[in-house]
Amino acid sequence: DAMVIQNPRYQVTQFGKPVTLSCSQTLNHNVMYWYQQKSSQAPKLLFHYYDKDFNNEADTPDNFQSRRPNTSFCFLDIRSPGLGDTAMYLCATSSDPGQISSPLHFGNGTRLTVT
Amino acid sequence: GQNIDQPTEMTATEGAIVQINCTYQTSGFNGLFWYQQHAGEAPTFLSYNVLDGLEEKGRFSSFLSRSKGYSYLLLKELQMKDSASYLCAVTDSNYQLIWGAGTKLIIKP
Repeated sequence: DAMVIQNPRYQVTQFGKPVTLSCSQTLNHNVMYWYQQKSSQAPKLLFHYYDKDFNNEADTPDNFQSRRPNTSFCFLDIRSPGLGDTAMYLCATSSDPGQISSPLHFGNGTRLTVT
Repeated sequence: GQNIDQPTEMTATEGAIVQINCTYQTSGFNGLFWYQQHAGEAPTFLSYNVLDGLEEKGRFSSFLSRSKGYSYLLLKELQMKDSASYLCAVTDSNYQLIWGAGTKLIIKP
């Protein structure tokens, strides 16, 4: 089945220690998104790619970086995690950059805990 | 600013019907989505509305009134597995997806 896969499912890292989260997709979608979601809050868009075009949200901290080496893979790098970065990180894909009628397909998420 | 309002939490009984409301104030409108999210898991797509009226899909239905900036998700014949958060999201005129914080639905036997 075509899907979006995130690894790892759970990640614990120490304050200030860099961490990389990965996402892969077999849907061949042009658009990939990274969201941060804290408990009982709305998902917050960090950035997205339309093919190789990178789009950073204005309020995404510089501490967060992303790479998309090819259509299938996308990475989220947190250079110096702080305690406030503890959250669920969701990768999603879409065939429609305009997000009209085409829903997002989410991976299972990576639950990051910063200690 | 852009805003989506949903009740924080609702409780319903197994077998009953529940309606989850969503009101939005956004810069333009290009469609409204409902997603279901079980605790600790990713959201999954439930429904999409762009025209006024009711869209029915099995036990779930979604209604939209663009003039009122209002939508609801109707869940019938509730099952215990329907216990989850339900998120409303709107695509604005800049094709940005604006999310609500979700409504946590608790189903009791």
